[in-house]
Amino acid sequence: SAVISQKPSRDICQRGTSLTIQCQVDSQVTMMFWYRQQPGQSLTLIATANQGSEATYESGFVIDKFPISRPNLTFSTLTVSNMSPEDSSIYLCSAAGNWETQYFGPGTRLLVL
Amino acid sequence: GENVEQHPSTLSVQEGDSAVIKCTYSDSASNYFPWYKQELGKGPQLIIDIRSNVGEKKDQRIAVTLNKTAKHFSLHITETQPEDSAVYFCAASLTNFGNEKLTFGTGTRLTIIP
Repeated sequence: SAVISQKPSRDICQRGTSLTIQCQVDSQVTMMFWYRQQPGQSLTLIATANQGSEATYESGFVIDKFPISRPNLTFSTLTVSNMSPEDSSIYLCSAAGNWETQYFGPGTRLLVL
Repeated sequence: GENVEQHPSTLSVQEGDSAVIKCTYSDSASNYFPWYKQELGKGPQLIIDIRSNVGEKKDQRIAVTLNKTAKHFSLHITETQPEDSAVYFCAASLTNFGNEKLTFGTGTRLTIIP
């Protein structure tokens, strides 16, 4: 199974600022995903991070608000831009290889004031 | 798109008893159904999964059953222990593996009463 780490583990930010979250996998993986989990809620997919091309966003999420990079097969970043208190959530990175299950990182807990 | 419903939202059981969590899905093309356990302050951890060509899968005290005709699947935990207390999520995917989008249920908060 893949071991996934995220940085930062938590942060408190002021509205109007941006935060970049890093996701590192200990082995090469085919797929990487970014999810949002609002307090006490389920997980909602933000986008699929595609290596070497633009991310694929789910309905309700746009690139200007959540730009994503994936420069190689083990690393991805998610930026939460121009933050508002409604962006306060847990942001989770996950990864999967071909014919494998999807594993999650520990999450980044974001509070926007 | 796929919609996954999960029940109950909260469940309390006495230590040693069994717990059952049920999920239904809407897209008959879904083929992969994982279950995740999320402890406080941690990311979801995969505990068991099942694919559409299998009706039941067991791993020690945990089992999952799948009824494709009725489009529902269930998690069964036997001989529950305090460390089983967590939030459990079911999910569904159109592929046979986890390397595609997962649609999650709403979660079940399981509390084991000592």
